[in-house]
Amino acid sequence: ETGVTQSPTHLIKTRGQQVTLRCSSQSGHNTVSWYQQALGQGPQFIFQYYREEENGRGNFPPRFSGLQFPNYSSELNVNALELDDSALYLCATELAGEETQYFGPGTRLLVL
Amino acid sequence: AQSVSQHNHHVILSEAASLELGCNYSYGGTVNLFWYVQYPGQHLQLLLKYFSGDPLVKGIKGFEAEFIKSKFSFNLRKPSVQWSDTAEYFCAVKATGGFKTIFGAGTRLFVKA
Repeated sequence: ETGVTQSPTHLIKTRGQQVTLRCSSQSGHNTVSWYQQALGQGPQFIFQYYREEENGRGNFPPRFSGLQFPNYSSELNVNALELDDSALYLCATELAGEETQYFGPGTRLLVL
Repeated sequence: AQSVSQHNHHVILSEAASLELGCNYSYGGTVNLFWYVQYPGQHLQLLLKYFSGDPLVKGIKGFEAEFIKSKFSFNLRKPSVQWSDTAEYFCAVKATGGFKTIFGAGTRLFVKA
């Protein structure tokens, strides 16, 4: 167990809708990264937050956005869902100064 | 741009066989290298990592990996696999001091009992 939890475990949305995925971690894990993992592929980096500010971003459009809160939880928001957004979404947190990521179990999103 | 290439998508071995999973990356600067494992129904978890120093790193469960800078490689090895090693293995790279970790596509290992 990594101490990183994600909710919901899975959900189904329709094209054009919006979704919010949540991640919680342990005290001191002040860096959180979000990844998209499509079937048969490795995780793709979406963005990273550090101390509630976006620290860097991968090749994802602006309709993917995030928030990080002082209580070490974070959100991934996706607007205007597309069929290709169907994937497993992972969050990974880092303890300050450790540079080692601890992954949550993921949220499996299906867009119809 | 950084990228990671894992040579095999699927590997099937019998118990006690030796394992080597290939990983090559492309990036011109200093990197941190990782191998992650995902057992069926479980989280991604860190197997081992290389930041600096001895290029031969040892991880959990008898796994080791060797960083060969001249070949941009970080291959994972285990002398004798067990049925419980059945899992998907991901190689990953991050520029030292950077924020973005790049993962390979993964290698699915199946060990026959």
